[in-house]
Amino acid sequence: QKEVEQNSGPLSVPEGAIASLNCTYSDRGSQSFFWYRQYSGKSPELIMFIYSNGDKEDGRFTAQLNKASQYVSLLIRDSQPSDSATYLCAVNTISTNAGKSTFGDGTTLTVKP
Amino acid sequence: DAGVIQSPRHEVTEMGQEVTLRCKPISGHNSLFWYRQTMMRGLELLIYFNNNVPIDDSGMPEDRFSAKMPNASFSTLKIQPSEPRDSAVYFCASTPSGGFYNEQFFGPGTRLTVL
Repeated sequence: QKEVEQNSGPLSVPEGAIASLNCTYSDRGSQSFFWYRQYSGKSPELIMFIYSNGDKEDGRFTAQLNKASQYVSLLIRDSQPSDSATYLCAVNTISTNAGKSTFGDGTTLTVKP
Repeated sequence: DAGVIQSPRHEVTEMGQEVTLRCKPISGHNSLFWYRQTMMRGLELLIYFNNNVPIDDSGMPEDRFSAKMPNASFSTLKIQPSEPRDSAVYFCASTPSGGFYNEQFFGPGTRLTVL
């Protein structure tokens, strides 16, 4: 089992719809959770982070964390073609204190006009 | 702030040649990471440093790969000899020291092609 697993994708949604991206992790010592967006040919960039159980909203983006279920998700409301990218889930565990993140393989999202 | 700087941005070389990739982390960041990304294998952590000291190099695929961080503002990843299967995008990332709540800041990457 991989330490961080994401929907295999690709995921395709129409413009204006809600895109739901999911991520599960295996280490119960995980403390912080990140969503990075990576456009084709570019480097990953952070779009959301979450540390506590529940929801965290930032504009059209909502991150959801359930530590009991070891599950984190990213919702993108009113999806736009500019949201088309690969989304990487990353997890930091308590066993490391140098900022190491374990990344999932990513889910590629396509938003169709 | 200039962000993480990597050079070269593109490198094309022939099998058997030595390749050196360079990275300058964000000033004040104490941890530096080298990743390799391919379509088949995704984003792989090769090695990371904290305060210039290598912490975990278990992701380095073979002895042909080596990395150094001689000071807080510079790191190199060397492949010698290079092979076609080393073709990938290599990212350097840095993060502030102090725990597991910090995001990583990625450089633009070096696209390596080994012929």
